[in-house]
Amino acid sequence: DTEVTQTPKHLVMGMTNKKSLKCEQHMGHRAMYWYKQKAKKPPELMFVYSYEKLSINESVPSRFSPECPNSSLLNLHLHALQPEDSALYLCASSQGVRETQYFGPGTRLLVL
Amino acid sequence: AQSVTQPDIHITVSEGASLELRCNYSYGATPYLFWYVQSPGQGLQLLLKYFSGDTLVQGIKGFEAEFKRSQSSFNLRKPSVHWSDAAEYFCAFMMDSSYKLIFGSGTRLLVRP
Repeated sequence: DTEVTQTPKHLVMGMTNKKSLKCEQHMGHRAMYWYKQKAKKPPELMFVYSYEKLSINESVPSRFSPECPNSSLLNLHLHALQPEDSALYLCASSQGVRETQYFGPGTRLLVL
Repeated sequence: AQSVTQPDIHITVSEGASLELRCNYSYGATPYLFWYVQSPGQGLQLLLKYFSGDTLVQGIKGFEAEFKRSQSSFNLRKPSVHWSDAAEYFCAFMMDSSYKLIFGSGTRLLVRP
């Protein structure tokens, strides 16, 4: 089973709201990722967690706050977002370094 | 700089025709190479990958890809395209000891009935 699940599927939020995106995998993978994908563009890496510790932050603004409560779960906390943050947010997981990444279906975020 | 290029932004083929999507990479060593497919509004599905060994790789949905070191290419092929293959296709590679997937800009495949 190579399933990564994400909730919610769609999210609309105002610029003053606080919301969270959730990602879950039960494949025993030890690395989890957040990507941002704008329309008609490839995904861009935001964060990487390895063994529940943040290992890569691709200079993402602090209004995005990742959290990895356990090895199966990854959250992305959103606060004071801008309209330009509207995008598809994809979660992925892999066994480890230089291993195949498996993607979830994404959360479509609209910031008004 | 390390990069991957997909020269074709759009490709249109007739249903039942063969398909080849091009991918070229720039990297000093042998990268790990991937092809992903994305239907509109969906996540990315792995079609196939190349790590080492046989340079002709078989994937899901009847796709295959061939790694050619001399041409720094990893082109995706399918002998007979189905209407359901219409989607965005991303080539990606990963460097040594890295978590980071570097994606090409994608190729949108349109299938004519």
